[in-house]
Amino acid sequence: NAGVTQTPKFRILKIGQSMTLQCTQDMNHNYMYWYRQDPGMGLKLIYYSVGAGITDKGEVPNGYNVSRSTTEDFPLRLELAAPSQTSVYFCASTGTSGIADTQYFGPGTRLTVL
Amino acid sequence: RKEVEQDPGPFNVPEGATVAFNCTYSNSASQSFFWYRQDCRKEPKLLMSVYSSGNEDGRFTAQLNRASQYISLLIRDSKLSDSATYLCVVGHNDMRFGAGTRLTVKP
Repeated sequence: NAGVTQTPKFRILKIGQSMTLQCTQDMNHNYMYWYRQDPGMGLKLIYYSVGAGITDKGEVPNGYNVSRSTTEDFPLRLELAAPSQTSVYFCASTGTSGIADTQYFGPGTRLTVL
Repeated sequence: RKEVEQDPGPFNVPEGATVAFNCTYSNSASQSFFWYRQDCRKEPKLLMSVYSSGNEDGRFTAQLNRASQYISLLIRDSKLSDSATYLCVVGHNDMRFGAGTRLTVKP
């Protein structure tokens, strides 16, 4: 049971480039989340999904897009990367009980935009 | 006002000390409450859920005061391995994290 997996682990982008951060969970969880964590700061919610085909904005959605075509996958798309998007990105999921469940996190993707 | 606010820390304590962390939240409709632990350059992991009646797990005790919108975490008999950042998490329609409080336990 792999839990939540994220790829890539590290990435360096140039300003204006695009990329997709991949997130997959094998726990059949309905809820999935994308967070960013800047150095010395807490996690900020970017987008979340309560099930396949349903997504919603979190605190800091600007500059990002998501899709949820399957229960397992929740990719995060960065269009026109900017230095302000340099951060560590965590994907997480919670079980079928919803928000009150424990969040399981992936190992994170460290992104640098130069 | 931030949705979830924590003691800024850092806390530097000797082994065996008792340390308490506090957290306040602004959304009175919040339904779920947690403490997570995050080691350096790692993902957050659940430490414990927080229930209205208070709950204890070994050396860790969590309490919730809904009237004051306040959560606490008490760590007794601190160990070197308790050194980490502790994140307060509050849930309603989504989950909101505090900025975290760093704890360093020294020999």
